[in-house]
Amino acid sequence: KAGVTQTPRYLIKTRGQQVTLSCSPISGHRSVSWYQQTPGQGLQFLFEYFSETQRNKGNFPGRFSGRQFSNSRSEMNVSTLELGDSALYLCASSSGRAIETQYFGPGTRLLVL
Amino acid sequence: ILNVEQSPQSLHVQEGDSTNFTCSFPSSNFYALHWYRWETAKSPEALFVMTLNGDEKKKGRISATLNTKEGYSYLYIKGSQPEDSATYLCAQQLNAGNNRKLIWGLGTSLAVNP
Repeated sequence: KAGVTQTPRYLIKTRGQQVTLSCSPISGHRSVSWYQQTPGQGLQFLFEYFSETQRNKGNFPGRFSGRQFSNSRSEMNVSTLELGDSALYLCASSSGRAIETQYFGPGTRLLVL
Repeated sequence: ILNVEQSPQSLHVQEGDSTNFTCSFPSSNFYALHWYRWETAKSPEALFVMTLNGDEKKKGRISATLNTKEGYSYLYIKGSQPEDSATYLCAQQLNAGNNRKLIWGLGTSLAVNP
């Protein structure tokens, strides 16, 4: 089975721009979670999508949004980028059961100048 | 705000040494505890999911224990090898279903010198 893929792997944007990141989960997985990691911070949960619906949300401003398509692929959008949005963005897929491991993608490293 | 804490922050050991580190978490609202290994330039990889007080899990030279009443989990590595060098993350799962959320620690960075 192919693993979780994320595109692009690296991205440079300027303040005020918007960005869309993509995540393709493992085949058969219906849950996709997004995380942000910045230096000195643990993985911060952004949101989880399950069967095209946002099932859970972390404490991030409304500039961070996401969606999931019928094939379970998910996108994350950040509007009006700020310097502090520079981070590694990871997505993780799972089947969506109550207790299970998540399978992470390689991440997208975003730099906001 | 619920905090998951890991100690030590970093660790340097010699090849062949055994080592252990700690994950502390609030004992209330416990649902599950996850351990991951994250090697540089790779994706985080799941090691264990633990749910029951007193649970012990093992995978090769790596094992973990769980104490939900006092809110801690230990990860042990026996006979460390250079390929064990990575950051070890733990995450507390607070709930399931629509409220499923993982709260992550900052990790313990392990360097094993050959």
